[in-house]
Amino acid sequence: DSGVTQTPKHLITATGQRVTLRCSPRSGDLSVYWYQQSLDQGLQFLIQYYNGEERAKGNILERFSAQQFPDLHSELNLSSLELGDSALYFCASSPRTDRDEQYFGPGTRLTVT
Amino acid sequence: GENVEQHPSTLSVQEGDSAVIKCTYSDSASNYFPWYKQELGKRPQLIIDIRSNVGEKKDQRIAVTLNKTAKHFSLHITETQPEDSAVYFCAASPPGSNYQLIWGAGTKLIIKP
Repeated sequence: DSGVTQTPKHLITATGQRVTLRCSPRSGDLSVYWYQQSLDQGLQFLIQYYNGEERAKGNILERFSAQQFPDLHSELNLSSLELGDSALYFCASSPRTDRDEQYFGPGTRLTVT
Repeated sequence: GENVEQHPSTLSVQEGDSAVIKCTYSDSASNYFPWYKQELGKRPQLIIDIRSNVGEKKDQRIAVTLNKTAKHFSLHITETQPEDSAVYFCAASPPGSNYQLIWGAGTKLIIKP
């Protein structure tokens, strides 16, 4: 157990809908990263937050947005869902010091039908 | 920006033999190189990492070597076991990246009984 939690574990929804994925980082970690992993694919970096502020953006679609709250949990919002958005969504957190290790949560499996 | 290439994409070895996975990076200033193991449907887990001031690091059957001159690093697994079957990802962390990781595409390691 990495100490990073994600909810829900599974999500099934229809095209055109909007969903929110939630992540709680490890205690003390200020950085949260979101990744998308489609079937048999690598990890696609979406976005990073540090202590409530956006720090870096990757290949994140305009239909997707995220935020990090004062209690450091983060939410990833996916809207106008398409079939191709079906994937595993991971969040990871890293320590507040100058260490780079990222610890991953168990992921949310999103299925768009 | 940093780019990480990982080879091979699939590696099949006999149980008990050694496995080697290689990654090359482009930014000579990158200073942190982790390896993650991902079993099917599970989260990526950090298995070993190395920083640029070290040439080799070992942890039981797993070792990582870093050649800064050639800008490549490798994962070595000795005495492979069935539970080593997984996808392995390498990554590099360039300075000034807010501890963002640049990921390789992954290697599927198959251990044949």
